[in-house]
Amino acid sequence: EVQVVESGGGLVQPGGSLRLSCAASGFTFSNYWMHWVRQAPGKGLVWVSRINDGGSSTTYADSVKGRFTISRDNAKNTLYLQMDSLRAEDTAVYYCGRDPVAWYFDLWGRGTLVTVSS
Amino acid sequence: QSALTQPRSVSGSPGQSVTISCTGTSSDVGGYNYVSWYQQHPNKAPKLMIYDVSKRPSGVPDRFSGSKSGNTASLTISGLQAEDEADYYCCSYAGSYTLVFGGGTKLTVL
Repeated sequence: EVQVVESGGGLVQPGGSLRLSCAASGFTFSNYWMHWVRQAPGKGLVWVSRINDGGSSTTYADSVKGRFTISRDNAKNTLYLQMDSLRAEDTAVYYCGRDPVAWYFDLWGRGTLVTVSS
Repeated sequence: QSALTQPRSVSGSPGQSVTISCTGTSSDVGGYNYVSWYQQHPNKAPKLMIYDVSKRPSGVPDRFSGSKSGNTASLTISGLQAEDEADYYCCSYAGSYTLVFGGGTKLTVL
């Protein structure tokens, strides 16, 4: 089955760190760009970050630049998001999305919830 | 990276047509033909409905169509059905390898 499954969410204190994972299966992971998108409770979708197929090129939303790092391991078919210096406003469901190198998401995971609170 | 502007809500009766607008700038919607639309039911993952302004993935009913004029993209749903009730989001390439979403539109089928 073609799918991506996020994991690694949880409760973390402000200023803390968390690493999210997105495990891909059923397709050739290394052929696709991947993105992280987040959705705060009751709010809309917000693009967070993107990585190219080989992992050599990354971009970030201004709101997370310098705090979050996107990476991938094509041998393990896994996408990561290292989140440091977390703030209350980072609280959201984080989705990973597959991009066929065309600036849209043709496959989404079910998301993982990150809660930043003391 | 300002969010694209969408109406907060739209509504229509079964069988009718509705159009959801998505307004950006010449730096995003108006500058590229990389506009996509997503449907999201409560507590579910988003689903791709339209890409490249007007292309429909396989499996998406032809009741869903997309278009663009200047800095505004539109999603039209014809022959409204109860299952179309959901949140809809537009998304556009915004240059410098970044994307931007709209704020979302809640569609109510009366």
